[in-house]
Amino acid sequence: AQSVTQLGSHVSVSEGALVLLRCNYSSSVPPYLFWYVQYPNQGLQLLLKYTTGATLVKGINGFEAEFKKSETSFHLTKPSAHMSDAAEYFCAVSDPDNNNDMRFGAGTRLTVKP
Amino acid sequence: KAGVTQTPRYLIKTRGQQVTLSCSPISGHRSVSWYQQTPGQGLQFLFEYFSETQRNKGNFPGRFSGRQFSNSRSEMNVSTLELGDSALYLCASSFIGGIYGYTFGSGTRLTVV
Repeated sequence: AQSVTQLGSHVSVSEGALVLLRCNYSSSVPPYLFWYVQYPNQGLQLLLKYTTGATLVKGINGFEAEFKKSETSFHLTKPSAHMSDAAEYFCAVSDPDNNNDMRFGAGTRLTVKP
Repeated sequence: KAGVTQTPRYLIKTRGQQVTLSCSPISGHRSVSWYQQTPGQGLQFLFEYFSETQRNKGNFPGRFSGRQFSNSRSEMNVSTLELGDSALYLCASSFIGGIYGYTFGSGTRLTVV
C-alpha cells in the first residue's frame, strides 16, 4: 500500500519568510499526491494536487508543490508566509491498491510569527 | 454549489451508548469516505462507500459501521461507545474516489464521557 511521510510535526516561520513543508511518498507506481490544509475545528481543504503532467503544481493561497520522482518527494512551498497561513497541513496519496482511497501523513503544524 | 454537510456538529455521549453521524455529499458525488481524527493517531481511514456499497474498510472494530443510501447520503454508527472513541469524525465526498481529491465536511466532534 502507498503511504506518505511528513518530515517535521511542527514548523515555525516568521511572517514574510519562505514556507517549506516536506513530504515523501512510497509508491511502486506513479502516485496521485495531494496537500490539504486544516484550520481549527474545521474539515480539510484541498490546496493542490498532482496527477500527471507538469511536475510543478500551483494551488490556492499562493502555495505550490513540486513532484520529484527521483527523490520521491512532494514538498509544499510558499515564498512569503502570512499570518493567515497558520494551520495544519496534510500530505496525502491516493492508493490505487485500495480503490484510490486517500492515505494521509501525520500532518505538520505551521506557526507564523509576527 | 452546496458543500459536504455533516450533522450534528457536536455531540456528547455516555460510555456504552451508540451514536449515528450523518453526511450529505456534494450533489453528484457517489463516493463517501469517513475518517477519524485524534491528536494521537492523526487521520485514520474508517471506510468508503460508493453507490451504496462498501468498497474499502480501515482497521477499526466491528462497533464502527456505516451505510450509504440511494441519494449518496451516508451514515456511520458507533455502538457501545468507549472513551477512546472521542474524536473529530470527518466525511469526505468525491465523484468516483480519491483519485481527484476529496471535499471534506466540517466534521462531527464526538465526546464520550
